[in-house]
Amino acid sequence: GAGVSQSPSNKVTEKGKDVELRCDPISGHTALYWYRQSLGQGLEFLIYFQGNSAPDKSGLPSDRFSAERTGGSVSTLTIQRTQQEDSAVYLCASSTSGGAWYETQYFGPGTRLLVL
Amino acid sequence: LAKTTQPISMDSYEGQEVNITCSHNNIATNDYITWYQQFPSQGPRFIIQGYKTKVTNEVASLFIPADRKSSTLSLPRVSLSDTAVYYCLVRNTNAGKSTFGDGTTLTVKP
Repeated sequence: GAGVSQSPSNKVTEKGKDVELRCDPISGHTALYWYRQSLGQGLEFLIYFQGNSAPDKSGLPSDRFSAERTGGSVSTLTIQRTQQEDSAVYLCASSTSGGAWYETQYFGPGTRLLVL
Repeated sequence: LAKTTQPISMDSYEGQEVNITCSHNNIATNDYITWYQQFPSQGPRFIIQGYKTKVTNEVASLFIPADRKSSTLSLPRVSLSDTAVYYCLVRNTNAGKSTFGDGTTLTVKP
């Protein structure tokens, strides 16, 4: 079956513009995660969805960042008024339910965002 | 969230066994440990996970001592294609939050 897909694969934008990043999780997976990976760095947890709700949004770096998930499937990460420090690879992952210790997170290929 | 610490890099040669240790001193009761592998320009890929003692699958073993303050990923007989970044992840099953370490860059030489 299809894995996690993300779009666009690459995005170049100008400072101050808004961007939307999309994640399509594996069909049937109720848990969805967003991470950010800056060049040469590890993965920074941003937000986690259980169904359509996000129990904890504290990982979002600022109020310019928001995320939503509708229909328990597709999720959109929105960055408003982008800054150069937002440049990074944004990774999405999904897992079956998010509550079981044995669950594996399956990652998408990421969206590479460059803010000029 | 449990903070994780890993060596920044490791070198090895083909055919050798490689052990990468991750420290997670303030791991909580509900946290479990997962290791991921990441190649350039790709998302991380699951390797192995566990809660305590030893877990083995077809690609690796994971050793977790009784106090669970560290974990060691063991890769038997590495090949050049095992050159990648390896991440230790501590995750709280109740909250969904995930704390990745900074990753260990493993370079396998001929």
